[in-house]
Amino acid sequence: EAGVAQSPRYKIIEKRQSVAFWCNPISGHATLYWYQQILGQGPKLLIQFQNNGVVDDSQLPKDRFSAERLKGVDSTLKIQPAKLEDSAVYLCASSLGVVGTEAFFGQGTRLTVV
Amino acid sequence: QKEVEQNSGPLSVPEGAIASLNCTYSDRGSQSFFWYRQYSGKSPELIMSIYSNGDKEDGRFTAQLNKASQYVSLLIRDSQPSDSATYLCAVKTNAGKSTFGDGTTLTVKP
Repeated sequence: EAGVAQSPRYKIIEKRQSVAFWCNPISGHATLYWYQQILGQGPKLLIQFQNNGVVDDSQLPKDRFSAERLKGVDSTLKIQPAKLEDSAVYLCASSLGVVGTEAFFGQGTRLTVV
Repeated sequence: QKEVEQNSGPLSVPEGAIASLNCTYSDRGSQSFFWYRQYSGKSPELIMSIYSNGDKEDGRFTAQLNKASQYVSLLIRDSQPSDSATYLCAVKTNAGKSTFGDGTTLTVKP
């Protein structure tokens, strides 16, 4: 069974530029998560989708971050414009359902904003 | 107060010893509990999940849950150098809200 796919693996951009990340979840997984992990900290949930609907985006900085999950499968996370403090690893994860199920992570995208 | 708190670490144990990792959570509506292992530069990988009070064993790993005390732990028996990693506790509520702790870094010395 294929795991969660993410791209790109690494990205370096200048502040105020825009960037987009892509995620393809495990087949059949209805729930998709985007996390931000800053060095030395645990993953912080940015947004959670159930199929193509948003379950939780309370911690998403909506003035600069946006995410979509068209057709309830693939998802993209965009940052525009980027700030230095956005430097982090962006992890995508998926699970079968919202409640009581384990999440499986992709390899992540390491973003450096200079 | 953080929603999920873990031992600040780092934790160092000799090879063959038992490593004990602890996690407390603040939301009494939490129903699902997970332990993830994260090697440096890698993404988290699931080790154990536990949903009801008591112990759950899987090989050298035992997860313990006490909902009354809002406490979950992970014991690693016969620790190996390959167990050296950061261990993340994750808690999920009935509504599906998922929160991670900041992790405890474990070093197993040969």
